[in-house]
Amino acid sequence: TQLLEQSPQFLSIQEGENLTVYCNSSSVFSSLQWYRQEPGEGPVLLVTVVTGGEVKKLKRLTFQFGDARKDSSLHITAAQPGDTGLYLCAGASWKTSYDKVIFGPGTSLSVIP
Amino acid sequence: DTAVSQTPKYLVTQMGNDKSIKCEQNLGHDTMYWYKQDSKKFLKIMFSYNNKELIINETVPNRFSPKSPDKAHLNLHINSLELGDSAVYFCASSSRTSGMDEQFFGPGTRLTVL
Repeated sequence: TQLLEQSPQFLSIQEGENLTVYCNSSSVFSSLQWYRQEPGEGPVLLVTVVTGGEVKKLKRLTFQFGDARKDSSLHITAAQPGDTGLYLCAGASWKTSYDKVIFGPGTSLSVIP
Repeated sequence: DTAVSQTPKYLVTQMGNDKSIKCEQNLGHDTMYWYKQDSKKFLKIMFSYNNKELIINETVPNRFSPKSPDKAHLNLHINSLELGDSAVYFCASSSRTSGMDEQFFGPGTRLTVL
């Protein structure tokens, strides 16, 4: 059974601080996705990483896919209150047409003004 | 224009009732999903339809019955509602032919069973 773990589970920081969120698995994924979910809304896709070692940047957010395609990290520079939300990583595999995207348990981020 | 929409947004009902949630996507995607998010925010897949064919059916009570009349619609009917069914239900769609399977979620339906 494929499982994704995320750490930390909760994170509360002051505006302007940097932070890193981790997503780990013992399984290899074809791609890994990061989503952000704000209260009362559905998750919204931030980025998809496909190649081992790949780094993608989205303004102040930097995403990295591990070389072995088993783990990923999300680094936020100079966090803003608008970054507050639940960050979910999700892994996708393509062994069969019945494969599904596996979601991690999420990291709840609170950025205090 | 809303990409993935679902109705209703909130649903409060008594135990034992039957209720339905509707979902529509206008993204031209070939696959649609139902997810359940519990109070701990864990997102768990329930069903998936690809071109109207059921391809994923997780361990879900048979009181839950999905129906996909066409590729753009996926509805969820729940019979004999129980207290434990209270959760937020998300509809999502993706294009599996893209190879990425990136999920596009609806706004969610918060179901409360009293």
